[in-house]
Amino acid sequence: DSGVTQTPKHLITATGQRVTLRCSPRSGDLSVYWYQQSLDQGLQFLIQYYNGEERAKGNILERFSAQQFPDLHSELNLSSLELGDSALYFCASSVLPDSEDEQFFGPGTRLTVL
Amino acid sequence: AQKVTQVQTEISVVEKEDVTLDCVYETRDTTYYLFWYKQPPSGELVFLIRRNSFDEQNEISGRYSWNFQKSTSSFNFTITASQVVDSAVYFCALSESQAPNTGGFKTIFGAGTRLFVKA
Repeated sequence: DSGVTQTPKHLITATGQRVTLRCSPRSGDLSVYWYQQSLDQGLQFLIQYYNGEERAKGNILERFSAQQFPDLHSELNLSSLELGDSALYFCASSVLPDSEDEQFFGPGTRLTVL
Repeated sequence: AQKVTQVQTEISVVEKEDVTLDCVYETRDTTYYLFWYKQPPSGELVFLIRRNSFDEQNEISGRYSWNFQKSTSSFNFTITASQVVDSAVYFCALSESQAPNTGGFKTIFGAGTRLFVKA
C-alpha cells in the first residue's frame, strides 16, 4: 500500500458525460501527479500540482481539468467523455515538486466510457 | 523533443535466466531524470529506480542492476536470476523540466516491456 488513495476504483459512464476522479496523496506529500494509461496511448503524464499550484502540464486534453485543494487532495475532471477516454487513471504523490523525489502511485481508477 | 523507446515489446525467459530490458531516450535538456517502474499483473505502478543525468554510476540493488550510458542515451535494466514474481510490464521514463521553467517536471514513458518468467 503506497498510502495514496484514489476513488472510485471503477467508473462506468456514457459518452458525453462528465466525471470526477479523486486522489488523496500520502500524508506529508505536497505534490500530486495525474497519469492516464490506455491501450492506444500507453502511459501518459497529464498534469502536476504542488501545494495547490499547477507546476507541469503534459498531454492533457482541454476537456480535462484538475485542481489541488487546500487539504492537498486533488480532483481530475473529465468532461464530454469519448470512447477513447476509457483508461486507467493513476494519481501519484511526492513530497517535493521535482524529479529528485520518488513518486508513490495510487491503485488507479479504471474509467470505462460506453 | 522527448522520446523514450523500449524496443522489446515482450520478453519470455525461464526462471533463473538473466534478462536485460533496453531503454533508449532522446532529450535536448542537459538536466533530466530517468526512471524504471514495474507494473505487475495486479496493475499498480511500483517505482524501481531514479537516476539523474549527472550521475552515470551504475547501480545494483539485489538482483536488479541498471546501466546508464549518456554516450548512447541508454538506461538499461538487468534482472539477474529472474523469478516468476518478476513477471510484469516494465516502463522506462524520462523526466525533464517544464518549459518555461515552472519548477515542475513532465514525464514521458516508454511503451513498456512485458516480461514473462516461466517456472
